[in-house]
Amino acid sequence: DSGVTQTPKHLITATGQRVTLRCSPRSGDLSVYWYQQSLDQGLQFLIQYYNGEERAKGNILERFSAQQFPDLHSELNLSSLELGDSALYFCASSVRPLAGGSYNEQFFGPGTRLTVL
Amino acid sequence: GQQLNQSPQSMFIQEGEDVSMNCTSSSIFNTWLWYKQDPGEGPVLLIALYKAGELTSNGRLTAQFGTTRKDSFLNISASIPSDVGIYFCAGRGTGFQKLVFGTGTRLLVSP
Repeated sequence: DSGVTQTPKHLITATGQRVTLRCSPRSGDLSVYWYQQSLDQGLQFLIQYYNGEERAKGNILERFSAQQFPDLHSELNLSSLELGDSALYFCASSVRPLAGGSYNEQFFGPGTRLTVL
Repeated sequence: GQQLNQSPQSMFIQEGEDVSMNCTSSSIFNTWLWYKQDPGEGPVLLIALYKAGELTSNGRLTAQFGTTRKDSFLNISASIPSDVGIYFCAGRGTGFQKLVFGTGTRLLVSP
């Protein structure tokens, strides 16, 4: 158990719909990262938040958005869903956004499996 | 998006055999990480490497940070059935903690 929690575990929805995925980081971690993993693919970085502020963007579609709340949990919103959005979505957390000093690596949650029909 | 190249793509071995896999990049990284992912689960960090040439062990696992900073290697000795899973390398350059992940090596171990 990494200490990172994600809900829901599974989500089935239809094309055109909107869903929200939730992540609670490890206790004390200030940084949250979102990744997408399509079938038999590696992990693609989507976006990072640190203490409520967006820090980095990766391959995140305009239909997707995220935020981190004052209690440090994060939500990933996916809208106008397409079949190709079906994937595992992982959240990871760490303490610091920058390398250097003590190293704090990313710890991953169990993921949310999204199926778009 | 950018991905690191891992090889082999998959391996099917007998229990007790040693395993080697590697990860290469066209870019230089300052950190190399190795994760293991079980089916339906999130990746679990196995080993972290921070210096070129560094050799680090975690039980039966040994990983090395290549001297060119463009590659890394993972070895598993005396494999057991619970080693089954997908092994991902990940690299990080300077600045913020964006990780670039490899394409993964799927390991199957026959009892």
